[in-house]
Amino acid sequence: DIQMTQSPSSLSASVGDRVTITCRASQSISSYLNWYQQKAGKAPKLLIYAASSLQSGVPSRFTGSGSGTDFTLTISSLQPEDFATYYCQQSYSAPYSFGQGTKLEIK
Amino acid sequence: QVQLVQSGAEVKKPGASVKVSCKASGYIFTSYAIHWVRQAPGQRLEWMGWINADNASTKYSQKFQGRVTITRDTSASTAYMEMRSLRSEDTAVYYCARGTMKVNWFDPWGQGTLVTVSS
Repeated sequence: DIQMTQSPSSLSASVGDRVTITCRASQSISSYLNWYQQKAGKAPKLLIYAASSLQSGVPSRFTGSGSGTDFTLTISSLQPEDFATYYCQQSYSAPYSFGQGTKLEIK
Repeated sequence: QVQLVQSGAEVKKPGASVKVSCKASGYIFTSYAIHWVRQAPGQRLEWMGWINADNASTKYSQKFQGRVTITRDTSASTAYMEMRSLRSEDTAVYYCARGTMKVNWFDPWGQGTLVTVSS
């Protein structure tokens, strides 16, 4: 099974900051990497698919990059509604595993 | 709009079974897959399995093979996830999510169903 590891596990930042979250796969997954945002008590929401494609309706301040084993999610200018937990997920092979999450908190 | 609506919260005793439903609307049900993902308290999301809503073929995570069954009713545009032999560690929020037949990212998700296993 493919293991997904995110860093950091938590992050404090201010509105307007640029933040980057990293996701590493235990083996190469090409570009089969997706990012989700989850707010407390809510279902996850797809932000980025296939490593760098922005899901319809998602603000352009979210960008994804990477291939192989190393991937990043960048939020260019944090907005109040961006404070949430972010998960990466590999869709290369079943079981389709997730990272442990990165909790983004207000500084 | 595309929407998945799940059944309500359940409380079960250890050893019992639970069946969660996921009703789809706003798209052609048989053109997509439905995945099931769970999240135990404070834990990461965990993929359980999926069903091809067209031909009903399924694939399960090895962790749940033999204890979970995913089915669908095309006439009701509804998918189901049944878990047997429940234990306390199965206490979690269970989500359904739509996927395509070829690429496995999930969008949208149902609202989640809390299953509590307690004696």
